[in-house]
Amino acid sequence: DGGITQSPKYLFRKEGQNVTLSCEQNLNHDAMYWYRQDPGQGLRLIYYSQIVNDFQKGDIAEGYSVSREKKESFPLTVTSAQKNPTAFYLCASSLGRNSGANVLTFGAGSRLTVL
Amino acid sequence: GDSVTQMEGPVTLSEEAFLTINCTYTATGYPSLFWYVQYPGEGLQLLLKATKADDKGSNKGFEATYRKETTSFHLEKGSVQVSDSAVYFCALSDRRTQGGSEKLVFGKGTKLTVNP
Repeated sequence: DGGITQSPKYLFRKEGQNVTLSCEQNLNHDAMYWYRQDPGQGLRLIYYSQIVNDFQKGDIAEGYSVSREKKESFPLTVTSAQKNPTAFYLCASSLGRNSGANVLTFGAGSRLTVL
Repeated sequence: GDSVTQMEGPVTLSEEAFLTINCTYTATGYPSLFWYVQYPGEGLQLLLKATKADDKGSNKGFEATYRKETTSFHLEKGSVQVSDSAVYFCALSDRRTQGGSEKLVFGKGTKLTVNP
């Protein structure tokens, strides 16, 4: 079955450590996205990529970095510069700008807790 | 910029009650509108969508109509079930103002609890 796999599901990190969240999709989608979810704040866009080797900052990119070396993969690194990293992180993908549809498919999420 | 405002929760209903969750939007272009649902501990799933004015999206007994004149996309269901308990997000996407991307702008979410 096609879908998006995020790992790990739960992650604990000490302050000052970088951590990388994995996102893999087998939907053959061109575009991928990272959102952060906090209670009562909805979802906010961190980074997105419309094509391999290209990505753009979203609304809250500070303290995060991404790469898009392969179509299937869009890992997110939460760096020590992110002041409040404890949150639920959601990865999503879509067909891309040349498609007629504009529906996002989401992964199950990764919950990061900073101790 | 584009934004979505949806009614604050939580909303608590008894089984078989009528559900309305209000959603209004602000957009410079002609966005597509969506309702996504999130069950506990999971990611978001598309519930329904509408891509132009007066379109009605429907799925699993839920409906929402794209009203351009009132910039609204309210979610309704005639008879809710316990299994509908989840968080519901209204969202918009406008490729024409977003460089062709499909990134979504979300409301803050409304938590629905349905009691037996």
